[in-house]
Amino acid sequence: AQSVTQPDIHITVSEGASLELRCNYSYGATPYLFWYVQSPGQGLQLLLKYFSGDTLVQGIKGFEAEFKRSQSSFNLRKPSVHWSDAAEYFCAVGAQKTGRRALTFGSGTRLQVQP
Amino acid sequence: SQTIHQWPATLVQPVGSPLSLECTVEGTSNPNLYWYRQAAGRGLQLLFYSVGIGQISSEVPQNLSASRPQDRQFILSSKKLLLSDSGFYLCAWTEEQGPIQFFGPGTRLTVL
Repeated sequence: AQSVTQPDIHITVSEGASLELRCNYSYGATPYLFWYVQSPGQGLQLLLKYFSGDTLVQGIKGFEAEFKRSQSSFNLRKPSVHWSDAAEYFCAVGAQKTGRRALTFGSGTRLQVQP
Repeated sequence: SQTIHQWPATLVQPVGSPLSLECTVEGTSNPNLYWYRQAAGRGLQLLFYSVGIGQISSEVPQNLSASRPQDRQFILSSKKLLLSDSGFYLCAWTEEQGPIQFFGPGTRLTVL
């Protein structure tokens, strides 16, 4: 069965500092990988995705993520955080085959940005 | 373009009362539809998914049920709510052959 671990429940960074949110997954084959962001009381918005090819993927809002097969990781990064980035971030893995296509989510990392 | 709606946005219900949450998708056909629940401070738990009208799969045994009366409508129901049913309910859809899930704005349910 697939699983996702986000080891950091809560992270605080200063505005303008760099950010890295960790995500480790467990899956028997090459998965689909996603990062979503959720503002308080809102739905989830897709930041970026990895299906295949280049292991460094670019997303919206200046975010990027790198797929490292050897480490089973898909960490999210941003070189300079803005106050508006404060939100909860979810990593998710999906199966690369037909079927229900539901995603398995990590428990999330809450990002706080200090001025 | 495609949009997904959830209704209502917030709901406060007494224990033992019925529940009906609605999700509708516009701008696509034959979507796969999903209901997730997000408890406070936790990730998303898949409750139900549907690959077509009248086709419902349940992921976890619980007090809830789902129905899909139309291609782009997905309903989450309960006959008698429990306190543990409180949470944030999210509906999502994917294209029939696509893996990317798009989420609705959610419904905040509080059971008192």
